[in-house]
Amino acid sequence: DQQVKQNSPSLSVQEGRISILNCDYTNSMFDYFLWYKKYPAEGPTFLISISSIKDKNEDGRFTVFLNKSAKHLSLHIVPSQPGDSAVYFCALQGGSEKLVFGKGTKLTVNP
Amino acid sequence: NAGVTQTPKFRVLKTGQSMTLLCAQDMNHEYMYWYRQDPGMGLRLIHYSVGEGTTAKGEVPDGYNVSRLKKQNFLLGLESAAPSQTSVYFCASSYAGYGYTFGSGTRLTVV
Repeated sequence: DQQVKQNSPSLSVQEGRISILNCDYTNSMFDYFLWYKKYPAEGPTFLISISSIKDKNEDGRFTVFLNKSAKHLSLHIVPSQPGDSAVYFCALQGGSEKLVFGKGTKLTVNP
Repeated sequence: NAGVTQTPKFRVLKTGQSMTLLCAQDMNHEYMYWYRQDPGMGLRLIHYSVGEGTTAKGEVPDGYNVSRLKKQNFLLGLESAAPSQTSVYFCASSYAGYGYTFGSGTRLTVV
């Protein structure tokens, strides 16, 4: 069964508006939550993370929210820029050496 | 600083042929991983290694073998390629499971 779900395969927003990407998980043992960004023909790159003891982490235009009771993770990008257009993966870690990735959401920011 | 380097970047194989994908990292990371990315499937772990001379199976190991003879190198082998192995392969390394760095990928087509 899929442990990490990104239910929206794609998202389209206007430049300057907020982009919200969502991720749901099933296993309460995860203790570290990450977002990766991937451009075509490149490998994924780390964007932002949050530990299970927090509910919010900010880094410039990017904010990650964690709702442990709902087993829900979200990434907010504000304001969105055309250069943010990429595939975003959420990834979860639960005390092991491996990350579990979602299927990704393709974000398109229109000028 | 090169980070994680994958060789080759592109390859076309005929069904039944064999090949080896090479991953090299210069960050002195203990952990290394091989993932495959398919449309709509996200990143799936094939095999991983937590140190020189050690390997372990991931989510989708069938049809692949790996070796970690040197700390900086992680090789992924396909003994008898099948069309189902057409994919983009990503190598990654990490420090004890944190701070993943990915290579730029190898696009493999099996005809």
